[in-house]
Amino acid sequence: ETGVTQTPRHLVMGMTNKKSLKCEQHLGHNAMYWYKQSAKKPLELMFVYNFKEQTENNSVPSRFSPECPNSSHLFLHLHTLQPEDSALYLCASSQNDYGYTFGSGTRLTVV
Amino acid sequence: GESVGLHLPTLSVQEGDNSIINCAYSNSASDYFIWYKQESGKGPQFIIDIRSNMDKRQGQRVTVLLNKTVKHLSLQIAATQPGDSAVYFCAEMGYSTLTFGKGTMLLVSP
Repeated sequence: ETGVTQTPRHLVMGMTNKKSLKCEQHLGHNAMYWYKQSAKKPLELMFVYNFKEQTENNSVPSRFSPECPNSSHLFLHLHTLQPEDSALYLCASSQNDYGYTFGSGTRLTVV
Repeated sequence: GESVGLHLPTLSVQEGDNSIINCAYSNSASDYFIWYKQESGKGPQFIIDIRSNMDKRQGQRVTVLLNKTVKHLSLQIAATQPGDSAVYFCAEMGYSTLTFGKGTMLLVSP
């Protein structure tokens, strides 16, 4: 275990469904991130939260909605996704931009 | 925008050989670099990092070299083992966020 836990590990959803991805970090870090990993592409940063305040939204479509209730928990709410949104969604945390630690990811398939 | 790229998409080596994975970066302002290993079905795992005020850093069986003049980063793995088979990413810290390369697949055959 890395100290960053993501659930669920796998998720299949229809284009009209609403689902949420959860991330929890036990490292005492002050920043949390959502990344998208598609086949044959570099990791893409989606959202950044510092001290539970969103500091970056990397031009992500509004069908992805993040929520950070505290420094240890991060959610990604999903609705009306497209098949091209199928990917591995990774959560990470860091302390003052160092010690980036990733979770194992949620493998999302949109059908 | 700035980018981080890897020269070789796949590297095949024999068990016991030394492996060298290369990475080019383009943001000269980047001051922190990390190498990650990603095994199938897992998230990226931290291997080793280096700050821009250093040109070499060693860990257990791994060495990272940084050449700021040509903006090049490399990861050396000594005595490569089958368990080292994975995708390796370099990442650079510029403007407070990490930017990743596409990754290199390392295949180790017995």
